[in-house]
Amino acid sequence: DAGVIQSPRHEVTEMGQEVTLRCKPISGHNSLFWYRQTMMRGLELLIYFNNNVPIDDSGMPEDRFSAKMPNASFSTLKIQPSEPRDSAVYFCASSLVGGGGTEAFFGQGTRLTVV
Amino acid sequence: GESVGLHLPTLSVQEGDNSIINCAYSNSASDYFIWYKQESGKGPQFIIDIRSNMDKRQGQRVTVLLNKTVKHLSLQIAATQPGDSAVYFCAETTGNTGKLIFGQGTTLQVKP
Repeated sequence: DAGVIQSPRHEVTEMGQEVTLRCKPISGHNSLFWYRQTMMRGLELLIYFNNNVPIDDSGMPEDRFSAKMPNASFSTLKIQPSEPRDSAVYFCASSLVGGGGTEAFFGQGTRLTVV
Repeated sequence: GESVGLHLPTLSVQEGDNSIINCAYSNSASDYFIWYKQESGKGPQFIIDIRSNMDKRQGQRVTVLLNKTVKHLSLQIAATQPGDSAVYFCAETTGNTGKLIFGQGTTLQVKP
């Protein structure tokens, strides 16, 4: 397996534009997580899905952020409209919850810059 | 204006020495405690975990110690190598969710 795949790796956009980040989890994993990393706040959990269903979105900063998981092999995180303070590295992770152990596998991340 | 970022604690060690990275946690109800390693430009990578009913667990060159009395977690790396240079995060999880709550992180610098 190629691991968790995120795209794009880098995104530069202007304030007010819509941004869509994409994630392909590891095949067979039943849970998917979106995290945001900044120097100020570290690694924060935004939302997670179990069996494609959103379970906890309490970490989503505001209504400008939305996430979907239409099937077991794909998820998106959308920011509309984007703002400079959204600049961060966004990570997607997947794991097999209930399979024993705690290991989550992270993608390489998407570095978002909003100017 | 320019924002000021957090200054991560830094541990600098000589190659071949042992390293000890510490972490304090707050949630007594956490079921598992986990250590992740993050190299520059990459996502966090799982190192080792420990269940809350244990106080020590060993892996290859790494040992995790859990002291629930003082809510303290540590990661010991034996014979530290240049490839161990990275940021290390502790994390905790509660219930069978897989949801990770990360600590601040410690930068490990290994001097050749």
